[in-house]
Order: sequence, then C-alpha cells, then structure tokens
Amino acid sequence: GAVVSQHPSWVICKSGTSVKIECRSLDFQATTMFWYRQFPKQSLMLMATSNEGSKATYEQGVEKDKFLINHASLTLSTLTVTSAHPEDSSFYICSARQPEGGPSHEQFFGPGTRLTVL
Amino acid sequence: AQSVTQPDIHITVSEGASLELRCNYSYGATPYLFWYVQSPGQGLQLLLKYFSGDTLVQGIKGFEAEFKRSQSSFNLRKPSVHWSDAAEYFCAVGGGNKLVFGAGTILRVKS
Repeated sequence: GAVVSQHPSWVICKSGTSVKIECRSLDFQATTMFWYRQFPKQSLMLMATSNEGSKATYEQGVEKDKFLINHASLTLSTLTVTSAHPEDSSFYICSARQPEGGPSHEQFFGPGTRLTVL
Repeated sequence: AQSVTQPDIHITVSEGASLELRCNYSYGATPYLFWYVQSPGQGLQLLLKYFSGDTLVQGIKGFEAEFKRSQSSFNLRKPSVHWSDAAEYFCAVGGGNKLVFGAGTILRVKS
C-alpha cells in the first residue's frame, strides 16, 4: 500500500513554455502532499506543502508565481512550472503523507519527474 | 529548526564487507528519523524509520539503524554489502510537519 505515482516521468520543453507535473496517491487519500526539487548530486529541497482545498505553503525563496501548485482532490496534486527556463531543469519529486491516524511525518515518495528545459 | 548532517559524501566498500553510514541530527524535540535509498534517476525508497521504542530499528534489505539520543545520531548499518546496494542514501528528520534531508552519501561497492 501507500503508492504514489508521478506523471510524466520525464519531460523536455522549450524555454518559455509551461509544464504540468501530476502527483497521485493511488491507494490512500492524502490531505497533504509535498513537492521537492533535487539538483544533480544534491539533496532534496522542499519547495512547498500542498494541502487539499487550500493554498499551498511555499518555502522561503520559492517563487509561488513560478511554481503553481494545485491540490484539488484528496488523491491529486499538480505542479506547474510556468514560463520555464533552463535553470528550472531539475528532478522534481512529490510525496504524500499518510492519512489521519497513520504515523505522523511519514511520507511516501513518487518516482520523480525529470524536467529538461531547452 | 531541524537539520541533518551526513559527514561522508562518498563511501567505497568491498562486496561482503560491513557498512556504516553516519547521520547526525539537530532537533529540539523527540525526532522522527528515516533512512531512504535512491538509485540514479529514481525516487526514494524507505529503508527504515524510527518513531519511538526500541532504539535498534530493522529495515528492508538487511539494513538496520540505531538511534542514540546522547549522540544525536542515527547511523545506518549493514553487516554484508551486496553490489546491488550501490546507490545514494539519505537520512532525514521529521519535525514541524516537514522532512529535512541530509546531503546524502553515495555508496560505491567494489568487487
């Protein structure tokens, strides 16, 4: 159980276009999802916390107008990279927290999305 | 705020040898501690976790970790490493509804 999927697994786009990445919890309802960014040979950096039905909470230094997050249902959160530029190229990973009553702070991670902006 | 230090960027061990990856954390309250493994281009797989109770935690793939509060450490161990264990390992501490990751340790296994 506790499977999280991401789509697409990789995407290549032209500079200036927007890209949407989906994160789904397949077998549980996730009121909270998280979006991370990982640069090559670096650790995961939390970008934002996504709560179902409310606005996402962004970490300091993350542009909310650049990285649009929508968590419209209990099983789906989306990250849209708007007007992408080469410096946005990275590995984006989402995670979902266990539903209420499960162990706190335990997150289940998706397989990641490799974004390359040309 | 919580923080995690993994002092070793790279570690190379021979296949069949024992392994210990170090992790030190900083957190004001009782920590929730995790070890994840990541293969190149892949997401994270949970190896083991500590929430409370027995300080020696068993995980998947023959890994274990020991929580030592006095040393603020949560080191990962495996008695005999297999070539398939080559990957990057991340220690993480949970607190304040967030996970904070260490910088990671890349494990290389030589035959």
